Amino acid sequence: DSGVTQTPKHLITATGQRVTLRCSPRSGDLSVYWYQQSLDQGLQFLIQYYNGEERAKGNILERFSAQQFPDLHSELNLSSLELGDSALYFCASSRWTGNTGELFFGEGSRLTVL
Amino acid sequence: SQQGEEDPQALSIQEGENATMNCSYKTSINNLQWYRQNSGRGLVHLILIRSNEREKHSGRLRVTLDTSKKSSSLLITASRAADTASYFCATDVNGDDKIIFGKGTRLHILP
Repeated sequence: DSGVTQTPKHLITATGQRVTLRCSPRSGDLSVYWYQQSLDQGLQFLIQYYNGEERAKGNILERFSAQQFPDLHSELNLSSLELGDSALYFCASSRWTGNTGELFFGEGSRLTVL
Repeated sequence: SQQGEEDPQALSIQEGENATMNCSYKTSINNLQWYRQNSGRGLVHLILIRSNEREKHSGRLRVTLDTSKKSSSLLITASRAADTASYFCATDVNGDDKIIFGKGTRLHILP
């Protein structure tokens, strides 16, 4: 158990809909990273927050947004969903920011868009 | 575009043999990390090597880093069935905060 909690574990929805994925980081960790993993693809970096502030952004679509709350949990919002958004979405946390230590991954939220 | 690229994409070896996988990256980095992912599960950290280190060991794992060639290798010795997984390298990009993963090497250990 990594200590990182992601909900929901599975989500099935229709095109055009909006979903929210939630991540609770490991106790004491200040950074949260979001990644998208599609079939046969590596992990695509979406966005990173550190202590409530956005610190790094990847190729995140404009239809996607995220935030980190004062209690350090984070939410990833996906809107106007398309079939191609079907993927496994991972959240990871670390104590500090930057590539200074290991990331602890949650078990992911599997999104299926029909 | 990907920062790190693992090679080979897939590797099948007999149990007990050694497995070597490589990672190449494009920019300067602070550190390079290796992770393992069992099918559909969250990634698990294996080892971190700093840019001023050339080699690091952890149990049956040996990691090397050549910053002049912008490459790293992960060696798993005396492989076991439980080593069957995908392995990813991860780096920062020019020392910034994002941590980028490659597409991974799928390792299959044959009994």
